[in-house]
Amino acid sequence: DTAVSQTPKYLVTQMGNDKSIKCEQNLGHDTMYWYKQDSKKFLKIMFSYNNKELIINETVPNRFSPKSPDKAHLNLHINSLELGDSAVYFCASSQDLTVYGYTFGSGTRLTVV
Amino acid sequence: AQSVTQLGSHVSVSEGALVLLRCNYSSSVPPYLFWYVQYPNQGLQLLLKYTSAATLVKGINGFEAEFKKSETSFHLTKPSAHMSDAAEYFCAVSVFANKLIFGTGTLLAVQP
Repeated sequence: DTAVSQTPKYLVTQMGNDKSIKCEQNLGHDTMYWYKQDSKKFLKIMFSYNNKELIINETVPNRFSPKSPDKAHLNLHINSLELGDSAVYFCASSQDLTVYGYTFGSGTRLTVV
Repeated sequence: AQSVTQLGSHVSVSEGALVLLRCNYSSSVPPYLFWYVQYPNQGLQLLLKYTSAATLVKGINGFEAEFKKSETSFHLTKPSAHMSDAAEYFCAVSVFANKLIFGTGTLLAVQP
């Protein structure tokens, strides 16, 4: 029973397309996150939602739009994909961050060609 | 502002040797610190965490880390490396209990 699941695991698409990545957690956590890991393995936070409310919105192009229909789901929609969007995108969730840290999904490898 | 610095992007040890991965933090408030491990093509898994209860923290797979306020460090160690320890390791600091900021990672290679 996967705690934080992301779909799809791999996504190859052409420049200019629109794509979505889905994330679901069955841990009952209140907070969910999206991180981007670039080719050098650097992890950068993009967004965070707490109980469906956006609480962190880092400097991310407007082409990226998160949506949280309920506290167990956090999706990421990307418009007009660019080559530089190629990366691994990780979803994570937490309940009490300072005590338990994050639980991560296994990632979505996005390749824009 | 809180941040972490990992010294050494690549560390190579022999199987059975001591593993030492370095992490220094910068924080204006008492920090909450974490070590995560990432195996190839997988997500990050929590190894251990410092939450001010004890300065020596034991984690999974035989890893431990010691919080040293005087040195602003939280180095990760394991007495004897195993081939299965080969992975990318990330140090992270909690920022106002709101998010984690990660270091740039250290790739650990274990030679037979």
